[in-house]
Amino acid sequence: LAKTTQPISMDSYEGQEVNITCSHNNIATNDYITWYQQFPSQGPRFIIQGYKTKVTNEVASLFIPADRKSSTLSLPRVSLSDTAVYYCLVGALLGGANNLFFGTGTRLTVIP
Amino acid sequence: DAGVIQSPRHEVTEMGQEVTLRCKPISGHDYLFWYRQTMMRGLELLIYFNNNVPIDDSGMPEDRFSAKMPNASFSTLKIQPSEPRDSAVYFCASSLSSDASVGQETQYFGPGTRLLVL
Repeated sequence: LAKTTQPISMDSYEGQEVNITCSHNNIATNDYITWYQQFPSQGPRFIIQGYKTKVTNEVASLFIPADRKSSTLSLPRVSLSDTAVYYCLVGALLGGANNLFFGTGTRLTVIP
Repeated sequence: DAGVIQSPRHEVTEMGQEVTLRCKPISGHDYLFWYRQTMMRGLELLIYFNNNVPIDDSGMPEDRFSAKMPNASFSTLKIQPSEPRDSAVYFCASSLSSDASVGQETQYFGPGTRLLVL
């Protein structure tokens, strides 16, 4: 079971880069790493997904070391609207329902 | 596209009553997921369907919980009888099929149903 561990909360000032790290020591060969963002009273929203090395899109970067036992979501120049809970999801449908584990996420607060 | 639609958005009921939550996935998506979110346990996957067939319900907490997907555009999650500890936000999500050897596809979540069992 690829459970994940993330910091419960983080604070950052506007304009700074934020890095949120997720530990997943039991990640399986087939598992992908996906990050979601959730605002209050809304469902989670996909941010980025990767398998290894580095992935970048228009909103974030995802760094995955060679052993894949952790991953880091990087948000460049955060704004107040980035205040949300961020989830690291590790798993694949091959393993069944219990192989998709969201955890409790990291609550990011961006300060003016 | 309207996205994933869930109803009701809020439900308040008394212990012992039957509760039915509804979900309409994004058209064309062939995976449908039901999640439960609480402060203590975070976001938990309860069950998922592929092409209307339940694939894995090992996340369903008890026999009081059941889920159906009679067609590609509709699914229900039923709790009977409901208990106060079932109070949570229930999310439905859908995704396109993927090559199983590649990994999971992006899931699109609905707005959730906030359930309070008194």
